[in-house]
Amino acid sequence: EVQLVESGGGLVQPGRSLRLSCTASGFTFGDYAMSWVRQAPGKGLEWVGFIRSKAYGGTTEYAASVKGRFTISRDDSKSIAYLQMNSLKTEDTAVYYCTRGGYELWQFDYWGQGTLVTVSS
Amino acid sequence: DIQMTQSPSSLSASVGDRVTITCRASQSISSYLNWYQQKPGKAPKLLIYAASSLQSGVPSRFSGSGSGTDFTLTISSLQPEDFATYYCQQSYSTHITFGQGTRLEIK
Repeated sequence: EVQLVESGGGLVQPGRSLRLSCTASGFTFGDYAMSWVRQAPGKGLEWVGFIRSKAYGGTTEYAASVKGRFTISRDDSKSIAYLQMNSLKTEDTAVYYCTRGGYELWQFDYWGQGTLVTVSS
Repeated sequence: DIQMTQSPSSLSASVGDRVTITCRASQSISSYLNWYQQKPGKAPKLLIYAASSLQSGVPSRFSGSGSGTDFTLTISSLQPEDFATYYCQQSYSTHITFGQGTRLEIK
């Protein structure tokens, strides 16, 4: 059974950093791109970015709203994807979902339960 | 970025109704269009991928069609568990975008 479990969310002050983790199981993690999608309270879904599998260079793409501040990485030996968030803003407050897919697998077929990040002073 | 526009933004319907939600892309996206269902407090669930392919385990009352810029999600006979918010999403561009969502409510 495919499972994605996010962790690392919480309350953080503006300008500070936070790292989210997504621990995967039930599939060969290294074969897939992994994405992050967020949802601000009461709002719609916003793609944050993805990291390609090593077969496609392990490179990353980001939404304009986070480019230069957020970094996605992966550790295939541990089946974990990371979202490093720097210079956080109040508008980054959202539930952050880890998803499988986004490149080569062109849909998000599995989602984690989400982790809430609140940016507030 | 490619803009995805859903209509309507909200919709009231009754159990047993046939419902259609549309999604329009700001440029051609071929068939790189997916549909998701989200219930309150839950993660989204993939319903349809590649415009018209039914995800495994999804009831056959859900169907998708379209290509290029215009797409539809149809629910042939609404069931109580279908009342939720629906999102379209394009993966034609490496900058993935979602529609704003369509909230389907009980009439």
